[in-house]
Amino acid sequence: DQQVKQNSPSLSVQEGRISILNCDYTNSMFDYFLWYKKYPAEGPTFLISISSIKDKNEDGRFTVFLNKSAKHLSLHIVPSQPGDSAVYFCAASGRNYQLIWGAGTKLIIKP
Amino acid sequence: SQTIHQWPATLVQPVGSPLSLECTVEGTSNPNLYWYRQAAGRGLQLLFYSVGIGQISSEVPQNLSASRPQDRQFILSSKKLLLSDSGFYLCAWSSGGQGEAFFGQGTRLTVV
Repeated sequence: DQQVKQNSPSLSVQEGRISILNCDYTNSMFDYFLWYKKYPAEGPTFLISISSIKDKNEDGRFTVFLNKSAKHLSLHIVPSQPGDSAVYFCAASGRNYQLIWGAGTKLIIKP
Repeated sequence: SQTIHQWPATLVQPVGSPLSLECTVEGTSNPNLYWYRQAAGRGLQLLFYSVGIGQISSEVPQNLSASRPQDRQFILSSKKLLLSDSGFYLCAWSSGGQGEAFFGQGTRLTVV
């Protein structure tokens, strides 16, 4: 039973355009959501987060949107840059502060 | 500032051999510590977490075990490795609260 789902295994976007990565969750008790970026053979690095009491959080080129009624969140990257090519993981904060992870979406930025 | 060290970066071990992966955290006290495995198509799979010395919770029953002999040290072990133990293992820490975790560089384990 996957509580956090990233239904797109990969996404290809032209450099300079907007990248939108999506994530759905099933547990309405999650109260904090995070996005991580991961390069091959490295540990994930924290990117941006959002509390369930908000619907938007922005940090530079990265914006996360949360739609609680739809149990959906998305990460927008504007403008997309070649260095953004990586695997992006969505995570939700559960009991004991554990993180419940999606399967990841591989973002490819085309020059 | 806080740092997390995980070693070795790569490891090739024969089937049936023991395993010990070590992770240490600096610059913080009483962190929550985690061992994850990155599985293809399943994202990051939580294996063990610890909220204090000697306190280990297992999320997935398997051939592995974890120990926390010191506050900022977390060890992943196996007495006899299986081929299916091959994978990319990640140690992480968090200070609790909102659950943001910080990861080590990972260990690529290949069991042959």
